[in-house]
Amino acid sequence: KQEVTQIPAALSVPEGENLVLNCSFTDSAIYNLQWFRQDPGKGLTSLLLIQSSQREQTSGRLNASLDKSSGRSTLYIAASQPGDSATYLCAVRPGNRGSTLGRLYFGRGTQLTVWP
Amino acid sequence: SQTIHQWPATLVQPVGSPLSLECTVEGTSNPNLYWYRQAAGRGLQLLFYSVGIGQISSEVPQNLSASRPQDRQFILSSKKLLLSDSGFYLCAWTKTLNWSYEQYFGPGTRLTVT
Repeated sequence: KQEVTQIPAALSVPEGENLVLNCSFTDSAIYNLQWFRQDPGKGLTSLLLIQSSQREQTSGRLNASLDKSSGRSTLYIAASQPGDSATYLCAVRPGNRGSTLGRLYFGRGTQLTVWP
Repeated sequence: SQTIHQWPATLVQPVGSPLSLECTVEGTSNPNLYWYRQAAGRGLQLLFYSVGIGQISSEVPQNLSASRPQDRQFILSSKKLLLSDSGFYLCAWTKTLNWSYEQYFGPGTRLTVT
């Protein structure tokens, strides 16, 4: 069974810092990996989706990388802002398209606090 | 554009009472639909998924059930709630004719069983 681990569980940084969130998964046979953001009491917002054949994806100040062979992904946030404060979740979709049915395995998330 | 709705937003129910949570998706057809639960201090747990009307697969045996009476409607139910059913319930969908399978989530329902 796929297991997803996120480190650190919590992170507190001053505004303006560049930071890295880590995600690791036990089974490298993934279809893709998705990073989400969750604000308190809210649903999940998709940030970035990386296909298994890709090495990285970028959206604004966010950059996600994927090293499938080593079972790792990182989410890089540049020039952090207080509005970035949220929980960031990593999820992997296993196998090939024919067998996935879109099922995701989630990590427990990294709770990020960016203070002014 | 596509949107996903869940209601109610919050719910407080006594132990032993029934439950019905609803999820609807707009702007797409024949989506894959999912119910997740997020309990305090735990990760997201997939409860049910559906690839079409009347087609439900269960991931975790429990006192919950799911139904899909219409293409874009997904309902989570229980006949008798337990204290352990408390949590944040999230509905999600993916496009079935899209190779990316990117998953989108609804706003969630906070359920407290007292």
